[in-house]
Amino acid sequence: QMQLVQSGPELRRPGASVKVSCKASGNTFSSNYVHWVRQAPGQGLEWMGIINPSGATTTYARKFQGRVTMTRDTSTSSVYLQLTGLTSDDTAVYYCARKPTSAATLDLWGQGTLVSVTS
Amino acid sequence: QSVLTQPPSMSAAPGQTVSISCSGGTSNVESNFVSWYQHLPGGAPKLLIYDDDKRPSGIPDRFSGSKSDTTATLGITGLQTGDEAEYYCGSWDSSLRAVLFGGGTKLTVL
Repeated sequence: QMQLVQSGPELRRPGASVKVSCKASGNTFSSNYVHWVRQAPGQGLEWMGIINPSGATTTYARKFQGRVTMTRDTSTSSVYLQLTGLTSDDTAVYYCARKPTSAATLDLWGQGTLVSVTS
Repeated sequence: QSVLTQPPSMSAAPGQTVSISCSGGTSNVESNFVSWYQHLPGGAPKLLIYDDDKRPSGIPDRFSGSKSDTTATLGITGLQTGDEAEYYCGSWDSSLRAVLFGGGTKLTVL
């Protein structure tokens, strides 16, 4: 049974950067697109972007363009989310999720990574 | 403010039926597939419905999806206390080239 396992919680100061990892276990997801979605405290789900199977193509939500980078390492079945210029508004749980078919179908989610930004 | 509009909250008694709406537009709901997610506190969202009306393996048939024009609907029959959660719709937007989520509907099973 495939699972997506994310890295642990992070604490950052305003202005810093963070890199969150998402690794497939039990199988690879080398043929899948992977989304990143976040949820700030008391808020709803917010889509951040998507990376293609090879890692060569990414599409980012306009809100995050210039601050976000998604990469993947196919040799280790891992994908990464890097976010720079952190503010307190970036405090959220960040999820990776697999896209098996249509664009907004996210069928397998990581457990989430809490990123806290505080001075 | 979300482009996909859901009622913020709904409530019903155990055993009853609820319908949660997701209102969008021509560049998202009307022209692209809609999916639905159940999000329980402390856990990851769970896919309930994809491609408007399909259920993944393991999702009971108490959950159903439908769509008409720019509005999608999630139906839940035979409500159980375990259905108490936040529900989100999602759809690709062809103009924005982005996945949109609704604002979420908090379902209370009284």
